[in-house]
Order: sequence, then C-alpha cells, then structure tokens
Amino acid sequence: GAVVSQHPSRVICKSGTSVKIECRSLDFQATTMFWYRQFPKQSLMLMATSNEGSKATYEQGVEKDKFLINHASLTLSTLTVTSAHPEDSSFYICSARSGRGITEAFFGQGTRLTVV
Amino acid sequence: DAKTTQPTSMDCAEGRAANLPCNHSTISGNEYVYWYRQIHSQGPQYIIHGLKNNETNEMASLIITEDRKSSTLILPHATLRDTAVYYCIRNYGGATNKLIFGTGTLLAVQP
Repeated sequence: GAVVSQHPSRVICKSGTSVKIECRSLDFQATTMFWYRQFPKQSLMLMATSNEGSKATYEQGVEKDKFLINHASLTLSTLTVTSAHPEDSSFYICSARSGRGITEAFFGQGTRLTVV
Repeated sequence: DAKTTQPTSMDCAEGRAANLPCNHSTISGNEYVYWYRQIHSQGPQYIIHGLKNNETNEMASLIITEDRKSSTLILPHATLRDTAVYYCIRNYGGATNKLIFGTGTLLAVQP
C-alpha cells in the first residue's frame, strides 16, 4: 500500500513553545490530508481536514489558532501546535487518501507529543 | 458520531479464526464499510473494505449481510501480532471524505 510518513515520531517540548509535525505522502499525491489526536485509552478524534492550497477545515471544538495547519503541496501537510501546554500532550496522527475512486486512507506512524 | 456499534473487547485463541462483528444498521446505500486496526502506539492500518459483496484479501475476509445492516471481519488464523483495536467505519470512500472512528473492538489473541 501507499506510504504516509510522519515526523517526528516523538517530541518533548517546554510549555509555551511551538511544535511542528510534518506529514508526507511518499508515493502518491494527496489533495486532502486529515489530522487526528488520540489520548490514552481513547479512540482517534478528528481535528481537521487539510486541503492543498486552501484553508483547513476544523472540527467543532478544535481551536484553529492553536493548531495551525498548512498544506503547501500535494505531498506535505504540517500541523503546528502553538504555545503548547501540558494538556496538549497527546498522540497526533495524520492520514491521506489517494485521489482517485473509492480509496482507503493511509496513516502516518503518529507523533507522541509531551509538553513539560 | 461513528454510527457503528462494535463490542468493546474480544478474546481469541492463537491459530483460531477471529470473528469481529459490526452493526451499521443506518448505513446509506452508497456508503462502504471499512475496517482498520491499530496496534498499540502506532497509526491505524487499513485492512479491507466492501460495499455489498463479501471481500477477501491477504489479511482478512469481510462478510456483509444482504441487508447491509451488519458485517463481520474474519481473521482466519489469528496470531499474537493480531492483538489490536479493530475499527469498523462507514464511509463514502472519496478522497475528501473524512474517516470518523468509533471506540472499536480490542481483540486480544491468547497463546
């Protein structure tokens, strides 16, 4: 199957700083990518839909000014957690679907963010 | 709202078939049933999807009832590495359609 690469896999940052997470589709072009957050022992929660060349669409309750999403090319989307706080510590996962027909979604390996 | 119902957890003996049920009684006519699994601390992995007909691939089989209100994912010979949370998701399948995850089924394969 197609490959979605996420970087970094783990990051520890100080409270108040910003952290950027990259999501790349390695062997296909993704006009749309999705960002999820997962807390321990919970399911994945969709945060936003990232659209190449346009603004992201955020799910209800997700602060767009705190979670900045940029989708500058067909193979790269980034999520920046701004002014991170300990409660932002979580597992962040991106996914992408190839653009034709009925497709499956491919997921990155996730990023474990710890804010201290 | 995931709009699917799955048991919270299931056990299966290693080497035996694992049958994971999913209820999607309000599924629309052109919504597919997708199955993913998530092994601890990893991103979800695609398993299989189907619309009406039963499907089989190298990982699993998907049995969809004739009325499409429920389905069963079958892992024919479960191994310890199949221990994971399995998610059943209904989705229209297009590139822009977001996947909404429910709580899934934690399958524990026992030695």
